Amino acid sequence: DSGVTQTPKHLITATGQRVTLRCSPRSGDLSVYWYQQSLDQGLQFLIQYYNGEERAKGNILERFSAQQFPDLHSELNLSSLELGDSALYFCASSGKLAGSYNEQFFGPGTRLTVL
Amino acid sequence: AQSVTQLDSHVSVSEGTPVLLRCNYSSSYSPSLFWYVQHPNKGLQLLLKYTSAATLVKGINGFEAEFKKSETSFHLTKPSAHMSDAAEYFCVVLSGGYQKVTFGTGTKLQVIP
Repeated sequence: DSGVTQTPKHLITATGQRVTLRCSPRSGDLSVYWYQQSLDQGLQFLIQYYNGEERAKGNILERFSAQQFPDLHSELNLSSLELGDSALYFCASSGKLAGSYNEQFFGPGTRLTVL
Repeated sequence: AQSVTQLDSHVSVSEGTPVLLRCNYSSSYSPSLFWYVQHPNKGLQLLLKYTSAATLVKGINGFEAEFKKSETSFHLTKPSAHMSDAAEYFCVVLSGGYQKVTFGTGTKLQVIP
């Protein structure tokens, strides 16, 4: 158990809909990362937050957004869903210090299926 | 620019034989390098990390990796494969003040009994 929790575990929805994925980092971790893992694209880094602020952006679509709240949990919002958004979405947390090269601890993921 | 190349998408070994999973990287900064393992339908778990200390890094489950700056490589090895090692392995580079993270495309390890 990494200490990172993600809800829900599974999500099935229809094209055009909007969903919210939630992540709670390990106690004390200030950084949260979001990843998308699909069969055709592999593991893609989406976005990183540190202590409530966006720190780095990867291959995140404009239809997707994220935020990190004062209690450090994070939410990933996916809107206007398409079939190709079906994937496993991971959250990871790390570090307590900005600029430290800390390993990331991954949550179990949310499996999103868009029908 | 920063990149990671895992040279083999699939590796197959017999149980009890050595494992070699290859990773090359490029980075404009001094990087930190990691290997993660993902078992089927599970999240990723850290195997080991290099952060500019010893170049030979020992991880969990008997894995180790050697950082070779001249070759820009960070290959993962294990002397003797076990059936439970069958999984997908990801090489990761992390560098820069904003900790830009780049994952390799993964190597699926098959262990044959």
